[in-house]
Amino acid sequence: NAGVTQTPKFRVLKTGQSMTLLCAQDMNHEYMYWYRQDPGMGLRLIHYSVGEGTTAKGEVPDGYNVSRLKKQNFLLGLESAAPSQTSVYFCASSLTRGGNTEAFFGQGTRLTVV
Amino acid sequence: KNQVEQSPQSLIILEGKNCTLQCNYTVSPFSNLRWYKQDTGRGPVSLTIMTFSENTKSNGRYTATLDADTKQSSLHITASQLSDSASYICVVPTYSGAGSYQLTFGKGTKLSVIP
Repeated sequence: NAGVTQTPKFRVLKTGQSMTLLCAQDMNHEYMYWYRQDPGMGLRLIHYSVGEGTTAKGEVPDGYNVSRLKKQNFLLGLESAAPSQTSVYFCASSLTRGGNTEAFFGQGTRLTVV
Repeated sequence: KNQVEQSPQSLIILEGKNCTLQCNYTVSPFSNLRWYKQDTGRGPVSLTIMTFSENTKSNGRYTATLDADTKQSSLHITASQLSDSASYICVVPTYSGAGSYQLTFGKGTKLSVIP
């Protein structure tokens, strides 16, 4: 009954360091997403994937890279972290990209860049 | 521009009282609207979906309404409990072509229920 699992839950980085956030889903969903959530703003789409081996840019992709080598995993990378990337990151998955489909979210990763 | 606006930004109510949260949207074409509940430190979880033809839908103590003419939705919580303390997010899919949609999120209403 895991759903969408994100690791790690918390992380502190120094400016310029790199890291990878891992998202895993066990619902056999084709579509996966990375969002960031900042105070006073709605969730914003960073990158998404419509299937294994595919990725696409979302609303705020700069400074991030993603990979989807396996259907159940979606990785978000920060090559050179900046303080502006301090945020809470959410991974989500959905069965389709139709209008009625429900997105299932992970518990979030709180990232602080100092 | 497709937008989802929520009000109030935050709300404090006494346990046992009712409250209503508002969502206005300008997404076109419109297909449906979802309300998500986000507990502190957790990801959003869907509460209910309102499609174009639905006016009212209940899920326990939560009742959502939709007025497609005025492009407004509300979420009414009855007999609030401490566990209702959370952010409530209104989400509307935006058509992005080729049968696909991207989600447009409101900023949420932070509800605090106090004893």
